[in-house]
Amino acid sequence: ILNVEQSPQSLHVQEGDSTNFTCSFPSSNFYALHWYRWETAKSPEALFVMTLNGDEKKKGRISATLNTKEGYSYLYIKGSQPEDSATYLCAFRTGANNLFFGTGTRLTVIP
Amino acid sequence: GAVVSQHPSWVICKSGTSVKIECRSLDFQATTMFWYRQFPKQSLMLMATSNEGSKATYEQGVEKDKFLINHASLTLSTLTVTSAHPEDSSFYICSAPRSSGNEQFFGPGTRLTVL
Repeated sequence: ILNVEQSPQSLHVQEGDSTNFTCSFPSSNFYALHWYRWETAKSPEALFVMTLNGDEKKKGRISATLNTKEGYSYLYIKGSQPEDSATYLCAFRTGANNLFFGTGTRLTVIP
Repeated sequence: GAVVSQHPSWVICKSGTSVKIECRSLDFQATTMFWYRQFPKQSLMLMATSNEGSKATYEQGVEKDKFLINHASLTLSTLTVTSAHPEDSSFYICSAPRSSGNEQFFGPGTRLTVL
């Protein structure tokens, strides 16, 4: 079992604030790092798949960076909106298709 | 993105009964599907890999005779929890990778409660 940690566990921000959270993972045997957004009672939604050290990806107000040498990825949300409220999961992949998940960061955006 | 459905979304059963959960890829074919389990306050943990046309492979500590997996077609995998006990109460979720690209697509999950 590989150790994937996410912090913080939960986060409350005001609407309009920008925020970020961290995913740390083993720095060896890296293949890809996945970010998912998971709303209650829905399927986890793929946000990013990151494969290269130094990668930065962006989707609207959400962006992510990747450092495979030190084993961390940051997810940023600019100008948080109530609809951004969800649990954000990261998952580390070594090469096979199976993913090793963190426990997630639960974000609540207060209107 | 691709769509994966899962049925039922929740189920309550008595101890000793068997429960079948279905995972379907609706708009793509999946030769491989994955079954995960999540206990409260823990991360999603891979239970087994379902392979179309061959036996499933199970992660360490997951009993293959208790969690029966059948990948009957390129769009359907089923997980049957046999002789369920209260400690099997958990959230079960499946995923399927598309043959092209790195993404995996998840179903919405099934909440199993065994009384």
